[in-house]
Amino acid sequence: GAVVSQHPSRVICKSGTSVKIECRSLDFQATTMFWYRQFPKQSLMLMATSNEGSKATYEQGVEKDKFLINHASLTLSTLTVTSAHPEDSSFYICSVVGQAGNTIYFGEGSWLTVV
Amino acid sequence: AQSVAQPEDQVNVAEGNPLTVKCTYSVSGNPYLFWYVQYPNRGLQFLLKYITGDNLVKGSYGFEAEFNKSQTSFHLKKPSALVSDSALYFCAVRDGPAAGNKLTFGGGTRVLVKP
Repeated sequence: GAVVSQHPSRVICKSGTSVKIECRSLDFQATTMFWYRQFPKQSLMLMATSNEGSKATYEQGVEKDKFLINHASLTLSTLTVTSAHPEDSSFYICSVVGQAGNTIYFGEGSWLTVV
Repeated sequence: AQSVAQPEDQVNVAEGNPLTVKCTYSVSGNPYLFWYVQYPNRGLQFLLKYITGDNLVKGSYGFEAEFNKSQTSFHLKKPSALVSDSALYFCAVRDGPAAGNKLTFGGGTRVLVKP
């Protein structure tokens, strides 16, 4: 069964509004989760590392004020795209490091379309 | 810095024929290597990994990969391809725990298996 759950799978929002995407670890507690962004027909780009109980670590070039990450519990991380613009439209995927520490599991992804 | 290269954007193969998807990597220490598959509009599914041990790693759905340290390669193989194997395949390398367990992905290789 699924190890990581993402919700919603698809969302359409108006330009200027904010949208929240949830990532849940179903089988184990996850102190660290990762958020990726994928443009059509391209590879995954790491946006940030979500750390439970502390601030997220953002990759270079990712606006932390635009992509707010909250990791309030050991099983839930949220990504909020604030003041969304059409160029934020993309496929967002989260991942979780398995308990053994060697396998990384991915959610099913969330399609965001900003109109 | 670590990096991964997948030299082929697309691989075409007839059903029943062997399938190979190439991957080379660059890391400063011992590599943790992964293969994932992505079906249209879906998240990534874990296929297999190399951490240590035997150079030939067997994974899900009949896939295997061979770790070659001298050639810094980790090619994915399947002896007899199925039409249902048509998908996007990603090779990835991971830092160790001290560096945050981040995955770096290759650009992806689209596999098309023709009946």
